[in-house]
Amino acid sequence: EDQVTQSPEALRLQEGESSSLNCSYTVSGLRGLFWYRQDPGKGPEFLFTLYSAGEEKEKERLKATLTKKESFLHITAPKPEDSATYLCAVHSSGTYKYIFGTGTRLKVLA
Amino acid sequence: EAQVTQNPRYLITVTGKKLTVTCSQNMNHEYMSWYRQDPGLGLRQIYYSMNVEVTDKGDVPEGYKVSRKEKRNFPLILESPSPNQTSLYFCASSLRVRETQYFGPGTRLLVL
Repeated sequence: EDQVTQSPEALRLQEGESSSLNCSYTVSGLRGLFWYRQDPGKGPEFLFTLYSAGEEKEKERLKATLTKKESFLHITAPKPEDSATYLCAVHSSGTYKYIFGTGTRLKVLA
Repeated sequence: EAQVTQNPRYLITVTGKKLTVTCSQNMNHEYMSWYRQDPGLGLRQIYYSMNVEVTDKGDVPEGYKVSRKEKRNFPLILESPSPNQTSLYFCASSLRVRETQYFGPGTRLLVL
């Protein structure tokens, strides 16, 4: 059964303190891995799509990487406005469904 | 502006009273989907539609129906809502399956 696990559940960082969020997945064949940011009471906002192991994508202070078993979202020198819940989702071969992890709640303190 | 819209944004109803939550996208997307989000359980897919001809169940379809008569619209129907359907609902769309989904603003439903 396809599964996505995100860790940690919650993370508190000081402004400027870099860290990484993890998304581990078990799927029959990965067709795509997606990172989203979600602010309280709002819909998820797209960040990155990764399709194959070794792929990396970057946007401002965020960088997403992908291996055959997991993905990392690296946050460099975070700011308070980076505080949000970060969601990971996968789409696997042989299905038309998406499986989401439960997210990492990030709080960046000024 | 490219977007996914949902209505209503907030809804309080009573057990058994049929309701419909509308979803519309203006991006000419083929794939549309409904999710519910509950604390500790994350986003779970209710139904998805590959195109106007193909609709199928997600992981939590019980108690829900959907309809895809037009490409842009994908309403979610609760024929007889129950309190365990109290949740935050999101509609999403993507150009095709396997591509990035864009989410609506959400509908918060309370069933008494």
